[in-house]
Amino acid sequence: AQKITQTQPGMFVQEKEAVTLDCTYDTSDQSYGLFWYKQPSSGEMIFLIYQGSYDEQNATEGRYSLNFQKARKSANLVISASQLGDSAMYFCAMRDGDKYIFGTGTRLKVLA
Amino acid sequence: DAGVIQSPRHEVTEMGQEVTLRCKPISGHDYLFWYRQTMMRGLELLIYFNNNVPIDDSGMPEDRFSAKMPNASFSTLKIQPSEPRDSAVYFCASTPTGGGKEAFFGQGTRLTVV
Repeated sequence: AQKITQTQPGMFVQEKEAVTLDCTYDTSDQSYGLFWYKQPSSGEMIFLIYQGSYDEQNATEGRYSLNFQKARKSANLVISASQLGDSAMYFCAMRDGDKYIFGTGTRLKVLA
Repeated sequence: DAGVIQSPRHEVTEMGQEVTLRCKPISGHDYLFWYRQTMMRGLELLIYFNNNVPIDDSGMPEDRFSAKMPNASFSTLKIQPSEPRDSAVYFCASTPTGGGKEAFFGQGTRLTVV
C-alpha cells in the first residue's frame, strides 16, 4: 500500500539558517506526484511545491526546494534562509492514482 | 476564483445530533476529497468523488458518516448521529484532472461534539 513517512515530529531552526524536512514514500507505481504543504497555526493548508516522478530536475519555488532521490524514495523539503513566519506544520503528500496520501507532518519552529 | 469554500467554519453540537458539513469546490475541478484531521490520526482521506460520482469511500469510519455530491458545485458530509470522537477538523479539497496538480483545500470545519 502507498505510504508517506515523516520521521521528524518536531524541528527547530535558527532564523536565516537552512533546514531540511525529511519525507520517504512507498509505492509500486512508476508515475506519481509528490507535494509539500504548510499548515500554519491558523489551520489552512498551503501548497508549497510539487515534484513529478519523471522530473529529472529537483523542483524549486523561491526559498523552497525539493531534494528528490528516486532510488531512495525520498522527497525532502529544504527551506533556505528560514524566517519566523515559516514556523508551522509541514506535510509531505503523494498522489498515487487519484488519491492524495499525507504523512503525519513535521512541526517546525524558527527561533529568533 | 474564491477557492474551495467550506461551511460552517466552526460547529459545536451535542452528542446524538445530526451534523452536515458543506463544500463548494473550485469551478472546473473534477475531483473532490473529504479529509479528517486529528492529532492522533493526522490527515485521513474519508471519501473522494470524480465528476460527482463517489469513487472510494473506504476511509469513511462507519455507517454514521455519509457524503453526497448532487452536482459539480456542491458536496455534503453528514454525520448522524454524532459522537464526541467525531470531533476533528474536516477539510474539503478539489483538484482538476491531470497529473501534477495539487489539491486545493478549503479552510476546514472545526467540529466539536460535546
